Amino acid sequence: DQQVKQNSPSLSVQEGRISILNCDYTNSMFDYFLWYKKYPAEGPTFLISISSIKDKNEDGRFTVFLNKSAKHLSLHIVPSQPGDSAVYFCAASFWGDSNYQLIWGAGTKLIIKP
Amino acid sequence: EAGVAQSPRYKIIEKRQSVAFWCNPISGHATLYWYQQILGQGPKLLIQFQNNGVVDDSQLPKDRFSAERLKGVDSTLKIQPAKLEDSAVYLCASSSSGGSGGYEQYFGPGTRLTVT
Repeated sequence: DQQVKQNSPSLSVQEGRISILNCDYTNSMFDYFLWYKKYPAEGPTFLISISSIKDKNEDGRFTVFLNKSAKHLSLHIVPSQPGDSAVYFCAASFWGDSNYQLIWGAGTKLIIKP
Repeated sequence: EAGVAQSPRYKIIEKRQSVAFWCNPISGHATLYWYQQILGQGPKLLIQFQNNGVVDDSQLPKDRFSAERLKGVDSTLKIQPAKLEDSAVYLCASSSSGGSGGYEQYFGPGTRLTVT
C-alpha cells in the first residue's frame, strides 16, 4: 500500500512563476514530512522539512504547507528558477519497532521552462 | 566536508552472478542506510545500521542480499545470485542521528545496477 503518494509524475512551470508540488499521505502516525530534490545521476539532497505539529515552514524560496485534516502537504517554490528542474520526492517519517522509518513517494519531475 | 562515497557507479551483470557495492559515509555519521530505487519509484529502505549494528533489515531479501558494516564506518551490500528484478539504483545514505524524525539523510550518488 502506498502510504505517501505524489500523483503528478511531472510538472512544467515557466521560469519566475510559482511551482507547487503536492503530496498526500494516509498514515496519521507520521510525525515529520521531508522534501528531497534529485538531479540525474546524483543522490537525493534534503530540501526542507516540517513537523506534524506545524502547518507551515519557510526557507528562502521554498515553503512547505501541511494540511493535517486533508492529509496533504505541498511544496511551493517562488520564484522558480532553471536550476530547480529536478525530481522532487516527498517523504514521511514515523517511529517503527526500533527506529525512525522514512516512507517515500514516487517523485514529481519538475521542469522549469525559460 | 566530504560527502557519501559509493562505488562502483555503474555495474552490468548477468542473472545468477554476484555483485558487491561499497559505501563510505560522512565521517562521524553513526547511522548508515542502503536503499533500492527502481525506476519511477521512490527509494525503498533495505537495511539500516546504527554504528555497526543492524537496526532494521525487515525489507532486505535475505535469501540473496547481505550487508555488513565493519568497525561502524564503511559498508558493503552484496547480491548473490542476482535476478532481473534487482535492476535498480542502490543508494547509500548516512545521518548523524537516527533518533529524530526530522533528521536529514545525506545520500551518495548511487550505483546503477543492470541485470541482463
